[in-house]
This record gives sequence, structure tokens and C-alpha cells, in this order.
Amino acid sequence: SQTIHQWPATLVQPVGSPLSLECTVEGTSNPNLYWYRQAAGRGLQLLFYSVGIGQISSEVPQNLSASRPQDRQFILSSKKLLLSDSGFYLCAWAGLSTGELFFGEGSRLTVL
Amino acid sequence: GENVEQHPSTLSVQEGDSAVIKCTYSDSASNYFPWYKQELGKRPQLIIDIRSNVGEKKDQRIAVTLNKTAKHFSLHITETQPEDSAVYFCAAGYSTLTFGKGTMLLVSP
Repeated sequence: SQTIHQWPATLVQPVGSPLSLECTVEGTSNPNLYWYRQAAGRGLQLLFYSVGIGQISSEVPQNLSASRPQDRQFILSSKKLLLSDSGFYLCAWAGLSTGELFFGEGSRLTVL
Repeated sequence: GENVEQHPSTLSVQEGDSAVIKCTYSDSASNYFPWYKQELGKRPQLIIDIRSNVGEKKDQRIAVTLNKTAKHFSLHITETQPEDSAVYFCAAGYSTLTFGKGTMLLVSP
């Protein structure tokens, strides 16, 4: 069966520091992968999605970036964090036959 | 791009009552409409979905209706229980999903 993992689960970072969140999927090949951010305990905002290795689409301009170095690995990065980057980050993969999104456990980022 | 509006933002009901959450979308090309439930501190999980070739779908106490002409869809929960308390999100799209801002449902015993 397919599983998705992301880490770290929680992190507290100072303003201006770098960020790296990692997500891996097991049990499927060539999945569509997504990064969402959930701020203020509510809405899910799509940040990036990828349909294949090295293929990244950005939905919103920001100081974040994403990379897909391997088929089942998706990384969210920043060179310099802002206070507004605080939130709950969710990685997800899509079941191609159903379109359903399966979310990882989430990474809670607090920027101080 | 797609824009999804969700109402209400907060809904309080008594155990046993019904709850209805409504969403509208803007892109007529959207053909997939899932609903997710998110408990506090946890990941969203799919509870029911509907595609544009279907008008209604039921799964035990939950049902979803879709009106493509009016571009709106709704979630209906009957005989609510305290464990139904959570944030519910609607979404719409075809290649990517756009989510509503969520509805916090509180079911009081």
C-alpha cells in the first residue's frame, strides 16, 4: 500500500534562517506531489506541485522554493525565513485514477 | 484560476441534528469535488467525493450534492455525533485542487 511521510514534524526557526522540509512517498511510482500551507488553523493554500522529476509549478510568489530530485521525494526550502512563513505545511500525493489527495502528517513551522 | 467559497465558517449543532456546509466554485472546468475532515493537529482526510457526472452521493450519515449549473455543492451530515466535531474543507478542481477556507463544526452532546 502507499504511504507518505514528511519531516520534521515540528520546528522553530529564527527569522532569516534557512528551511528544508522533506517528503517521501512509498508504494507508488511517478505520483503527482503537492505542498500546501495551512495558516491560522484554517484554509489550505497550494504552494507547489510536481508531475515528475525536476518539474515544479509554483502557485504563489514567495520566498519558498520546491525541488523534486527523485521520483518519490519532494522538498520545500527557503534561504531566509520570514515571520509570515509560520504555519502547518502539508505534503500530499494524488491517486491518479481517483484524483484523491493523500496528505502527510504535516510539519508545524514557527518562525520567531 | 479556481476560487472556492465555503460557508459557514463555524457551525454549532446539538447531537442528533443535521449539519449542512455549502461551497461555490468559479471554474466550470472543475470536475472533482472532494470533502476533507481535519481533526485538531492532524492531517486532512477524505470523507466523501463527487464527480461532475453525478448529482448526489451518499455514504451512511454523510451525503454530498452537486449542482454544476449553479456551480455549488454541499455536504450533509445527519444524526451528528460529538466525534463529528472537526474542521471540514471542500475543494474543487481537475488537475489541482483549490480548497475552501474550512468550516469548524462543533457537535454538543
